[in-house]
Amino acid sequence: SQKIEQNSEALNIQEGKTATLTCNYTNYSPAYLQWYRQDPGRGPVFLLLIRENEKEKRKERLKVTFDTTLKQSLFHITASQPADSATYLCALEQDMRFGAGTRLTVKP
Amino acid sequence: DGGITQSPKYLFRKEGQNVTLSCEQNLNHDAMYWYRQDPGQGLRLIYYSQIVNDFQKGDIAEGYSVSREKKESFPLTVTSAQKNPTAFYLCATSGGGTGTGELFFGEGSRLTVL
Repeated sequence: SQKIEQNSEALNIQEGKTATLTCNYTNYSPAYLQWYRQDPGRGPVFLLLIRENEKEKRKERLKVTFDTTLKQSLFHITASQPADSATYLCALEQDMRFGAGTRLTVKP
Repeated sequence: DGGITQSPKYLFRKEGQNVTLSCEQNLNHDAMYWYRQDPGQGLRLIYYSQIVNDFQKGDIAEGYSVSREKKESFPLTVTSAQKNPTAFYLCATSGGGTGTGELFFGEGSRLTVL
């Protein structure tokens, strides 16, 4: 069955730097892949969706890439701020299964 | 106000008791999902329903049951057969087909077994 791996459990960076989070999958390439943000004790909130025929998608300071050859998506937050501190989850369309998430901490 | 309402927000249960978590939506979405989240872990799919009167098991359905008698409602029962039910439970909906499957989540229900 399809496995989704976010291979960093936690990531600490300095304010102003770019955070890069990774999402890998093992089998078939999904039609699209989604990224969500989750704050402690809250439900996840949708951020971005990228389709298999799109190499890159941007939304304000967020950028997502999708490499079906590497079976990988990268999620970037540029000019990071302490308010970006949260857990970020990726999910695959066909399954609606989620990766374990990466907890990002942006230090002032 | 459109959205997803989960209740109760916090629930305490004694071992051996069944408990039902409510999930109601007024987004007119066809698909509804239940996830479980344990501390420091991602979401695991319990059950999902693509249409009224139909539902499918997810990855960890054992010890849980659901019903989908109305489009708006997808209650989850945590039965006494669930060995470790203490967790954060999240309900979600999606309204689109392929390419538009963004999930909308409720605020969650935290269940603690005493």
